Amino acid sequence: ETGVTQSPTHLIKTRGQQVTLRCSSQSGHNTVSWYQQALGQGPQFIFQYYREEENGRGNFPPRFSGLQFPNYSSELNVNALELDDSALYLCASRTEGGYGYTFGSGTRLTVV
Amino acid sequence: AQSVAQPEDQVNVAEGNPLTVKCTYSVSGNPYLFWYVQYPNRGLQFLLKYITGDNLVKGSYGFEAEFNKSQTSFHLKKPSALVSDSALYFCAVRDDTGGFKTIFGAGTRLFVKA
Repeated sequence: ETGVTQSPTHLIKTRGQQVTLRCSSQSGHNTVSWYQQALGQGPQFIFQYYREEENGRGNFPPRFSGLQFPNYSSELNVNALELDDSALYLCASRTEGGYGYTFGSGTRLTVV
Repeated sequence: AQSVAQPEDQVNVAEGNPLTVKCTYSVSGNPYLFWYVQYPNRGLQFLLKYITGDNLVKGSYGFEAEFNKSQTSFHLKKPSALVSDSALYFCAVRDDTGGFKTIFGAGTRLFVKA
């Protein structure tokens, strides 16, 4: 039912490794945001892309990076994984001028 | 900086009774306020938004929210709760200063008892 698809749904990585999470948004959704949601907490804003350019960033270190592609897909890359990076990562997109986001179901990342 | 606060970790209500989930906000400029709901192992679903206009905003699944500028509140309400409304609810504010982002509260878990 959701127009935003994230992959994979679950992932286990080892500390120090790198990971790429993927998101496919609805056609016309040229704004995409990524969030980190730790267990029992609200989503924390990582960054936002608009027409393939980053236009907003939260309090996350540079090892969190992203890309947005012309086909409304996007990626979140995390380098040098730490145990505290274990969380649900959510992708959310909206149309230009829209206010409410459509969220994907998330990727649950576990770092061991 | 923009922020929202949800003062209750959990709200318990009996099915059929009215429910209120509280949210207060702090913004500079005009507030853009939102409510989202999250079911287990799912992403967030948009319920409603306040941008401008009427203080009572109607949204999905029979929910509504009342914007109160003097009290800087944006409480979520429903006249008659359903067991299926049990979920995690997030209040959010859009911050267009210093970059574009939507800031979420910590969430309130709603438990509706049959």
